[in-house]
Amino acid sequence: AQTVTQSQPEMSVQEAETVTLSCTYDTSESDYYLFWYKQPPSRQMILVIRQEAYKQQNATENRFSVNFQKAAKSFSLKISDSQLGDAAMYFCAYRGGGSNYKLTFGKGTLLTVNP
Amino acid sequence: GAVVSQHPSRVICKSGTSVKIECRSLDFQATTMFWYRQFPKQSLMLMATSNEGSKATYEQGVEKDKFLINHASLTLSTLTVTSAHPEDSSFYICSAIWTVNNEQFFGPGTRLTVL
Repeated sequence: AQTVTQSQPEMSVQEAETVTLSCTYDTSESDYYLFWYKQPPSRQMILVIRQEAYKQQNATENRFSVNFQKAAKSFSLKISDSQLGDAAMYFCAYRGGGSNYKLTFGKGTLLTVNP
Repeated sequence: GAVVSQHPSRVICKSGTSVKIECRSLDFQATTMFWYRQFPKQSLMLMATSNEGSKATYEQGVEKDKFLINHASLTLSTLTVTSAHPEDSSFYICSAIWTVNNEQFFGPGTRLTVL
């Protein structure tokens, strides 16, 4: 079974600075997808970024980028120029390839942004 | 973008009663929906996969007779918590797969409190 590990229960960052959230996963599949979701206090899950395992290039979405190390099974999220609105719980998630859309979530990292 | 709604957003019921939660994909058709459960300060736990026109697939340890799932149309899945007890109190989140891009969109969640 696939597992997703987020080793940082909580992180904090100063506004305008950069923070990196860690995620490792375990899988025997070669085709899969990785995601970072944000869950603010409203508890609405919001997709931040996704990475297809077959792509070597790291995904980027504005201030959010990932460092995808396939051999190491590592998938970290970097948030640049942190904003107060980035404060949330962040979940790393794994999805297998093909038509299996089930997501396996990590335990989450609570990010605090200090003004 | 694709929007998923849930109704009600919160519900309080007495122990022993049944509660139905609706999950709707508002602007797209979803043959596959998922139901998650989230305890305070914890991650999302997949309960079951809801497939339109067929029986739901439950994850190990989830009582299918207690958590009844019906996916009667391409835009609606319902979760009925039968004979609810205080330990069923939780935050329930649904998601739907938009087959155009295979992305998973989440509903805003339903907070269930069983007295």
